[in-house]
Amino acid sequence: DVKVTQSSRYLVKRTGEKVFLECVQDMDHENMFWYRQDPGLGLRLIYFSYDVKMKEKGDIPEGYSVSREKKERFSLILESASTNQTSMYLCASTLSGQGDSGYTFGSGTRLTVV
Amino acid sequence: DQQVKQNSPSLSVQEGRISILNCDYTNSMFDYFLWYKKYPAEGPTFLISISSIKDKNEDGRFTVFLNKSAKHLSLHIVPSQPGDSAVYFCAASFYGNNRLAFGKGNQVVVIP
Repeated sequence: DVKVTQSSRYLVKRTGEKVFLECVQDMDHENMFWYRQDPGLGLRLIYFSYDVKMKEKGDIPEGYSVSREKKERFSLILESASTNQTSMYLCASTLSGQGDSGYTFGSGTRLTVV
Repeated sequence: DQQVKQNSPSLSVQEGRISILNCDYTNSMFDYFLWYKKYPAEGPTFLISISSIKDKNEDGRFTVFLNKSAKHLSLHIVPSQPGDSAVYFCAASFYGNNRLAFGKGNQVVVIP
């Protein structure tokens, strides 16, 4: 069964800490995405990557960075965690194609910054 | 500016009845439309999609209708089941572009 695996289901971090969220997919997908989900705001794209070492800013990249050193792994980095980054973080991947390929999402990481 | 809009954020329906979720979009160039379902503490899962060249796509209890002139699509769930209680996201994309534009989601509660 194909999977997108996020390393942690729940994380609690302190304000100012550097936080790493890891995502691994086993489907040989070119494209990987990081979203955050907040009540009333839906899914908002933070960053995405369409190839190794390639990255593109999404709609809300401020306060985040990403790393894609290997095709299967896409990491989201919170440089200095703040309380407004408390959220559900979702990783997704998809094949490059015509645009009709559905995303496969991971189970999410619930991050709380205190 | 949000290109995909889902109004009426929550819906309650009796088990066995029809659930109808609506989605409006602003960009007439979208080529594909997709629906995702999300349970709490899980990632969204792909439910059903439709190409812009079609006006209907059906998969079991789920049917998506597309009205291009109105820039509107809807998801019908018939009959609704308690396991359908979830948040549903509408999304849209362009041919050759893998980035999806998501709506804010609709909470559906199916009452047994």
